[in-house]
Amino acid sequence: DIVMTQSPDSLAVSLGGRATVDCRSSQTVFNSSNNKNYLAWYQQKPRQPPRLLISWASTRESGVPDRFSGSGSGTDFTLTISSLQAEDVAVYYCHQYHSLPQTFGQGTKVEIK
Amino acid sequence: EVQLVQSGAEVKKPGESLTISCQGSGYRFNNYWILWVRQMPGKGLEWMGRIDPIDSYINYSPSFQGHVTISADKSISTAYLHLSRLKASDTAIYYCARQWGDSEGWGVPDNWGQGTLVTVST
Repeated sequence: DIVMTQSPDSLAVSLGGRATVDCRSSQTVFNSSNNKNYLAWYQQKPRQPPRLLISWASTRESGVPDRFSGSGSGTDFTLTISSLQAEDVAVYYCHQYHSLPQTFGQGTKVEIK
Repeated sequence: EVQLVQSGAEVKKPGESLTISCQGSGYRFNNYWILWVRQMPGKGLEWMGRIDPIDSYINYSPSFQGHVTISADKSISTAYLHLSRLKASDTAIYYCARQWGDSEGWGVPDNWGQGTLVTVST
C-alpha cells in the first residue's frame, strides 16, 4: 500500500495569512504514460462529506476559490491557501488514486490563530 | 446536478448485519465506479473498496476484505455496502463517492454522498 503522510497534523494561521500543508507518498503517484500525478486534496468541515478541491496535484476544481493551489510531483506535494479566510477552517486530506488500495493522508487541521 | 444519496443512520447491536445504499443521479451511473470510505469518530478517511457498476468488478482494501461486501444494481443506479457481524469498532460514518473509470484509465473521486452514520452498541 502507498502510505500518505501529511505535515503538520495541525496549524493555526492568522486571517489573511498563508497556510501550507505538505503531503508525502511512500511511492511515486506519477504516471509517466500520461504525465499525471494521481494526487488529490479534499477539504472536510464538521458534519460534512469531503469536498474535492484539487485533482491531478494542481488542477483546481470548478468553484474552488483561487486562493487554494496545489503543487508537487512524484512523491512530494503541497496544498497552499494563500490568504486564509474564516470559512477555510477545516481538515484537509491528501489522497492518492494511483494504486489500489487508494489511500489518504491522516489529515491536517487548519485553524485561525 | 450530480447527487449521491445514501440511506439513513442506523443503530445496531453487536453481531447484527446491515446494508447501506448509495443511489446516484444526474449522471450516467455505469460510467463511474462507486467507492466506499469509512470515517471512524474523530478520525481520518479510510478507503474500503470500489465497484464498477457495469460488470460488478470489485476491489477491496485488504484491511476490509472478508468483513464487508460491496455490490451494485445498475438498473436502479444504486450501490450497496454490507457489513456483517458488527462490532462496536464498526461505529463510523460511511461515505460513498463516484470515480470515473474504464479500461482506458480513471479519474479522481469527485462527488460524495452525505454519509451514513452507523452506531453499534449494546
